[in-house]
Amino acid sequence: ETGVTQSPTHLIKTRGQQVTLRCSSQSGHNTVSWYQQALGQGPQFIFQYYREEENGRGNFPPRFSGLQFPNYSSELNVNALELDDSALYLCASRGVGPDTQYFGPGTRLTVL
Amino acid sequence: GESVGLHLPTLSVQEGDNSIINCAYSNSASDYFIWYKQESGKGPQFIIDIRSNMDKRQGQRVTVLLNKTVKHLSLQIAATQPGDSAVYFCAEHNYGQNFVFGPGTRLSVLP
Repeated sequence: ETGVTQSPTHLIKTRGQQVTLRCSSQSGHNTVSWYQQALGQGPQFIFQYYREEENGRGNFPPRFSGLQFPNYSSELNVNALELDDSALYLCASRGVGPDTQYFGPGTRLTVL
Repeated sequence: GESVGLHLPTLSVQEGDNSIINCAYSNSASDYFIWYKQESGKGPQFIIDIRSNMDKRQGQRVTVLLNKTVKHLSLQIAATQPGDSAVYFCAEHNYGQNFVFGPGTRLSVLP
């Protein structure tokens, strides 16, 4: 157990809808990153939050957005869902710097 | 862009044998590397890490080797067990950036 939790576990949406995924980071970790993992592929970095500010972003469109709260928990929001958004969404937390990054169990999103 | 890749997409080993999983990286500025294990339907699980100022690090049954000259990383698993069957990822960190993952290697342990 890493201490990183995510909700919900599974989610089914239809094209064009919006979704919010949630993550609670490990105690003492102030940096949260979100990844998208398509079936059979490695995780792809979406963005990172540090002290409630986005401080890094991968190659994802603006309809992928996020928030980090004062308790370091985080949300990932995806608007105008597309079929290709179907994936496992992973949240990872770590301390400052190139520190060990721990993952949550993920949220499996299916877009129909 | 910079990427992390793996030489072998699949690896099958006999139970009790040693496993070696390889990873190539292209960014010489990378300062930190992590090996993760991912079982079906679960998030990646931290196995072992190594910083760029080291060339070897050992854990329980696992060893990571880093060769900066040829930009190569390997994970050695001693006495491989059925519970080791999973997909293994190496992740590369560049200072100021985030982690870049390779596509993964599937390890199958044969009875």
